[in-house]
Amino acid sequence: GAGVSQTPSNKVTEKGKYVELRCDPISGHTALYWYRQSLGQGPEFLIYFQGTGAADDSGLPNDRFFAVRPEGSVSTLKIQRTERGDSAVYLCASSLRAGDLTGELFFGEGSRLTVL
Amino acid sequence: TQLLEQSPQFLSIQEGENLTVYCNSSSVFSSLQWYRQEPGEGPVLLVTVVTGGEVKKLKRLTFQFGDARKDSSLHITAAQPGDTGLYLCAGYSSNTGKLIFGQGTTLQVKP
Repeated sequence: GAGVSQTPSNKVTEKGKYVELRCDPISGHTALYWYRQSLGQGPEFLIYFQGTGAADDSGLPNDRFFAVRPEGSVSTLKIQRTERGDSAVYLCASSLRAGDLTGELFFGEGSRLTVL
Repeated sequence: TQLLEQSPQFLSIQEGENLTVYCNSSSVFSSLQWYRQEPGEGPVLLVTVVTGGEVKKLKRLTFQFGDARKDSSLHITAAQPGDTGLYLCAGYSSNTGKLIFGQGTTLQVKP
């Protein structure tokens, strides 16, 4: 389809393991966002990219979290040494261009991470 | 840190009733957006308001942006079960360019 694609849709892992979550944005969208969402709550900002560079990573909780977007398209959110508190739905969104302060974000369906 | 506070956090009403959801901040935002999210899906944009005092209508939904661009409201007239979902306000920060979300309002409309 033409929407934002996130994989995996569900990931169950054990405490201490490494996890990668992938986001494939809408073709041609230069801005890409990562959010984390707990049940019934609003999305919590993690990081956003303009092209290949991270424009704002102030929402990353600590240095166990890292995200890349090497070619300005697909992005990967990497979580090292996972903890139970990392369990959440991780949402990815893209928009046509960063800096457009009225731009619509198009979201994927999210990756549900469960850390046992 | 810019924050958006929504109220109420949870609302359960009967079909046909009217309701208002509020979104407040101490900070000025360049624009305010409202999204709706259903279980298992990502949020979907309903509206963007840009000008202080702006009012936009989308069928039974009315959105207002405060004069000072610090607050917004969403009013639903004659709510229907299909309106059930999580309603989220979000603001763009002009100095960072990131979109910040409120904590959401869960609306349940009973038939």
